[in-house]
Amino acid sequence: GNSVTQMEGPVTLSEEAFLTINCTYTATGYPSLFWYVQYPGEGLQLLLKATKADDKGSNKGFEATYRKETTSFHLEKGSVQVSDSAVYFCALSDGTGSASKIIFGSGTRLSIRP
Amino acid sequence: EPEVTQTPSHQVTQMGQEVILRCVPISNHLYFYWYRQILGQKVEFLVSFYNNEISEKSEIFDDQFSVERPDGSNFTLKIRSTKLEDSAMYFCASSGGQGNSNQPQHFGDGTRLSIL
Repeated sequence: GNSVTQMEGPVTLSEEAFLTINCTYTATGYPSLFWYVQYPGEGLQLLLKATKADDKGSNKGFEATYRKETTSFHLEKGSVQVSDSAVYFCALSDGTGSASKIIFGSGTRLSIRP
Repeated sequence: EPEVTQTPSHQVTQMGQEVILRCVPISNHLYFYWYRQILGQKVEFLVSFYNNEISEKSEIFDDQFSVERPDGSNFTLKIRSTKLEDSAMYFCASSGGQGNSNQPQHFGDGTRLSIL
């Protein structure tokens, strides 16, 4: 079945460092890919998405590109801030359309030092 | 921005008791979901619901679980006889406004269920 594998954490960086969180997926067909973020004490928020190969999703300085050839969707940010400390989940939609369930990776906890 | 709301934020229940978790999806959404996250583990799909019936359910969603949309706004998850292993964070999500069948899912803040 479809699955998502992401880089294990925790990841600790200094403020203004470059961030990469690796994510690869296994899927039949052409799923949409997502990054969700969970800030401390809060729910899951959609950070960015990409719906087809070579699409780049971006939001709040974060970017991820849908790479079909490497089945990857790595999350990057050029200069992280303390406020980016959170758990990040890579995910894919298992099917097409809004009724499709989402399959999540295990999450990567990111901590940013001032 | 409209959001999905869940109540209560934390529910403590004795093993064997019934529990109902409540969710108010975004008002124009048509598709509803429940997920759960056992502490330290992945977020797992439980069930999807559309047009007043279950669209898909996982193997976790056994006969002890049921979902209902009792009125035009609430979407509930009931666990009939709770077990210790039901302790988890339960997330409700909704998606798919009228005329747009490919919107992402929006999640609530979750209900932490603790079974004693």
